Amino acid sequence: EPEVTQTPSHQVTQMGQEVILRCVPISNHLYFYWYRQILGQKVEFLVSFYNNEISEKSEIFDDQFSVERPDGSNFTLKIRSTKLEDSAMYFCASRGDTTDTQYFGPGTRLTVL
Amino acid sequence: DQQVKQNSPSLSVQEGRISILNCDYTNSMFDYFLWYKKYPAEGPTFLISISSIKDKNEDGRFTVFLNKSAKHLSLHIVPSQPGDSAVYFCAASIFSSNTGKLIFGQGTTLQVKP
Repeated sequence: EPEVTQTPSHQVTQMGQEVILRCVPISNHLYFYWYRQILGQKVEFLVSFYNNEISEKSEIFDDQFSVERPDGSNFTLKIRSTKLEDSAMYFCASRGDTTDTQYFGPGTRLTVL
Repeated sequence: DQQVKQNSPSLSVQEGRISILNCDYTNSMFDYFLWYKKYPAEGPTFLISISSIKDKNEDGRFTVFLNKSAKHLSLHIVPSQPGDSAVYFCAASIFSSNTGKLIFGQGTTLQVKP
């Protein structure tokens, strides 16, 4: 069964450093998403991506964040200058074009020290 | 912004009995609802969904009921099994939007006791 994969599973970084979180969505999916979950809080939408551009972003997704689909398979989230409050689980999700069901990856735990 | 709420943080049931998880929403534009199951340190796993044109959808032991007038949905698990113990999230989206972003509730931790 096809699945969304994410790397790395855990990333530790120093405040102010850049991090890139990687995702491989399900191969025939067209819509891609990043969500995050701060410990003890709900899963929050960050950004959606379709047709090689951002279709919607949340207030959280400020100028420090960017997304890219550098090739036909990868989907990345970059945080340019990490803050302590960026520590969270980051989930990538994807969906096809005939359903609103999104399938999630296992997540990347980002720890900012 | 509490558009989707799960008011019960936890639920404990005996194996073999019914588990009922509840979810309320405020945005009448939502037209697609999903339930996800999540284990610690894993991503949400899709369980079942329902479109707003239906009031019930069933898949094996899982049934989702939607009451649009009350803006309420529920997930029934019958019979409950110990392996069902996890955090359950309801989520809502506007299917007709160009993004389909999901708005999640806070989650309900289900414990099924053997």
